[in-house]
Amino acid sequence: QQPVQSPQAVILREGEDAVINCSSSKALYSVHWYRQKHGEAPVFLMILLKGGEQKGHEKISASFNEKKQQSSLYLTASQLSYSGTYFCGTGAINDYKLSFGAGTTVTVRA
Amino acid sequence: DAGVIQSPRHEVTEMGQEVTLRCKPISGHDYLFWYRQTMMRGLELLIYFNNNVPIDDSGMPEDRFSAKMPNASFSTLKIQPSEPRDSAVYFCASRGGETVTRDFGPGTRLTVL
Repeated sequence: QQPVQSPQAVILREGEDAVINCSSSKALYSVHWYRQKHGEAPVFLMILLKGGEQKGHEKISASFNEKKQQSSLYLTASQLSYSGTYFCGTGAINDYKLSFGAGTTVTVRA
Repeated sequence: DAGVIQSPRHEVTEMGQEVTLRCKPISGHDYLFWYRQTMMRGLELLIYFNNNVPIDDSGMPEDRFSAKMPNASFSTLKIQPSEPRDSAVYFCASRGGETVTRDFGPGTRLTVL
């Protein structure tokens, strides 16, 4: 099943923070986060494999809670370059069939 | 590294015509994935290959869709006959070695009139 992302869209001013959530009805073993700019291909941000693990990419970090079957992506002190659509992909460690959420569109304004 | 290469970047065709999309994965990558992206359904996995062998094609929507990977550096996705509902952006992605991430190509935007 496709993971559920929330919110669908968020508008920020530069410097503001935001949280994007990704939840699944199935047990999660891995969560992949990608960002896609308009008209471009999705670009990998990070992967989380263990419960409660946090990772970071620039000022973007993520957490993964196995028990709650959810992951959250944190955009801290957002920059204009953070604008885009963020997708979470969920699957097993060796599962090549990632299921992607519908995406969260982030718009950062000056 | 040139990254994943897809061609054409844009394709406009008429209903009933055959469409062939092409992909060259990153050299050394042993997995290749074909995805379709639409506003309604998001990013869907159509099929994936490992070492040129199709592993799972359960995402292929119908018999009109077929995919091949004759060698490690080339794959095709064919739609015959095409229909307007096939209009979408089709991405090819590859992964290899110990990495678990996918490198996506730039996509092919297909419009079926």
